[in-house]
Amino acid sequence: GNSVTQMEGPVTLSEEAFLTINCTYTATGYPSLFWYVQYPGEGLQLLLKATKADDKGSNKGFEATYRKETTSFHLEKGSVQVSDSAVYFCALRKYGGSEKLVFGKGTKLTVNP
Amino acid sequence: GAVVSQHPSWVICKSGTSVKIECRSLDFQATTMFWYRQFPKQSLMLMATSNEGSKATYEQGVEKDKFLINHASLTLSTLTVTSAHPEDSSFYICSAMGLAGVDQETQYFGPGTRLLVL
Repeated sequence: GNSVTQMEGPVTLSEEAFLTINCTYTATGYPSLFWYVQYPGEGLQLLLKATKADDKGSNKGFEATYRKETTSFHLEKGSVQVSDSAVYFCALRKYGGSEKLVFGKGTKLTVNP
Repeated sequence: GAVVSQHPSWVICKSGTSVKIECRSLDFQATTMFWYRQFPKQSLMLMATSNEGSKATYEQGVEKDKFLINHASLTLSTLTVTSAHPEDSSFYICSAMGLAGVDQETQYFGPGTRLLVL
């Protein structure tokens, strides 16, 4: 079945450090891939997405590239800020099938000043 | 655009009572809505999918009679937790997808409702 595996956290960085959160997936066909962010006490917000191989999603300085050969969608940011502290979820949606999202377990990021 | 609201944002109730949570799409018509449950420090667990005017589709292991879902209009879905018990305490999150005026690939999430059953 479809599944998403994220690197386990928590991740703690200093401000302006480089961030990578790994995400790999298992799916048949060509899923769409998403990163959602959840700030403390809030629901999820879409951060970025990619719908086909080699697409790069980007938003707020975050980037992720859809790599079919490695079935990965790693999230990166060159210089994190304290305000980026949140839980990040990688997710996939199966192409042409159900609209359901399959989520990874989430990675908690804490950025210290 | 693509704003989803939930009401209430938090609720405390006594064991054995029922609680209704509303999910509204404020600026688009939601053809499909989803209800999730999130345990502390864990991922989201999909409970059910609902389409306007039809019965909800529940995920395996979710009790239909306990978690009643009604998607009566294109902007409103409700989740009723019947005869709530302490183990139902959780963070409930809804999401919505639409066809017009929004990205059709994206689920837009509400802010969540924290339920505490005493």
